[in-house]
Amino acid sequence: SYELTQPLSVSVALGQTARITCGGNNIGSKNVHWYQQKPGQAPVLVIYRDSNRPSGIPERFSGSNSGNTATLTISRAQAGDEADYYCQVWDSSTACVVFGGGTKLTVL
Amino acid sequence: QVQLVESGGGVVQPGRSLRLSCAASGFTFSSYAMHWVRQAPGQGLEWVTVISYDGSNKYYADSVKGRFTISRDNSKNTLYLQMNSLRAEDTAVYYCARNIAAAGTGTRWFDPWGQGTLVTVSS
Repeated sequence: SYELTQPLSVSVALGQTARITCGGNNIGSKNVHWYQQKPGQAPVLVIYRDSNRPSGIPERFSGSNSGNTATLTISRAQAGDEADYYCQVWDSSTACVVFGGGTKLTVL
Repeated sequence: QVQLVESGGGVVQPGRSLRLSCAASGFTFSSYAMHWVRQAPGQGLEWVTVISYDGSNKYYADSVKGRFTISRDNSKNTLYLQMNSLRAEDTAVYYCARNIAAAGTGTRWFDPWGQGTLVTVSS
């Protein structure tokens, strides 16, 4: 089955740029989606189809996907961006949804 | 606004059954596929199952196949998850989520999610 690999944690200084990666075999050929989950809350979609932002998501959030790595980039990181972030793809070969293990973002 | 509200969680003994519900509002429920996703305490997200807009197609994660059944009642705008033969490892918050798919792309994602309902399997 298809697997997605994320770093357990990423730290970023306040106001700097955070990059969270999501690795998978030839992931660049798939569409990747990203969710933000704050403690005690449900996940919220922040990026869909690699690089598209839903309405209401700040422009500071962006995404890219190429080769074996997809990346969620958070510019000018704020304290309110502290959360767990999950990448997700649809594996059409098995008709299953696949999530990455999640990355905890800490803003210092 | 689009809203999903889960209910039916609780404490249940191993081997017993439980049925979760997800009430949808603010959108045309019968036009969307729907998913259940779960999250064990302190763990990541695990996809559980999906049902097509009309209930004709269903897919399950291997971990629940043969034990869980997804269904829907479009007349009531409600999604269900029947969970049988529950195990300790099924303990989790269960979220329902609306499926969003881009035609011709073969991909799908979730937006929005409900607030979740906690299922605890323990003797």
